[in-house]
Amino acid sequence: DGGITQSPKYLFRKEGQNVTLSCEQNLNHDAMYWYRQDPGQGLRLIYYSQIVNDFQKGDIAEGYSVSREKKESFPLTVTSAQKNPTAFYLCASSNLAANTGELFFGEGSRLTVL
Amino acid sequence: AQRVTQPEKLLSVFKGAPVELKCNYSYSGSPELFWYVQYSRQRLQLLLRHISRESIKGFTADLNKGETSFHLKKPFAQEEDSAMYYCALTNFNKFYFGSGTKLNVKP
Repeated sequence: DGGITQSPKYLFRKEGQNVTLSCEQNLNHDAMYWYRQDPGQGLRLIYYSQIVNDFQKGDIAEGYSVSREKKESFPLTVTSAQKNPTAFYLCASSNLAANTGELFFGEGSRLTVL
Repeated sequence: AQRVTQPEKLLSVFKGAPVELKCNYSYSGSPELFWYVQYSRQRLQLLLRHISRESIKGFTADLNKGETSFHLKKPFAQEEDSAMYYCALTNFNKFYFGSGTKLNVKP
């Protein structure tokens, strides 16, 4: 079954702990993205990557880190430096070569900091 | 700076009524604009893109560069149209989303 898989769906973390959210895609897409979704604020871009071993900060990158060691994987680490990490996180990918501008989304991961 | 504004958080209409979801944008170049939709318990997915000039599920959207708008319209709303709708703009493979409008179509 092709698509984007995010795990875990739900995650609880104590303050001061880092946590890593997984995002895997088997669509052979070049670009991958991480968004944060908060009520009333829509989707805000955290990080994105257009090619392996390269990534760029989005609008709200502070307190987050990513890696892109493989084309199919783009994990997001929420560090203890992120002041308000409780949120819903969405991963997406895009086929840059097709130039359709379409994003394919995962089901999301909900992080709650206790 | 790029910005997408959706002024309505919630829009309620009766089945069969026309619906218009508003989207305004700010962008210095030639924008590529999209509407994404999220139905209950489903993933966020592309509804339509302005460059295709297509009608999807009866929805259309016209890019008005003078008013910097990309409103989504449907002449006769159906109950299955109830969902969260996001307007989005892309700039060099970065995508910017509005805050979303929840459409509720009442029977």
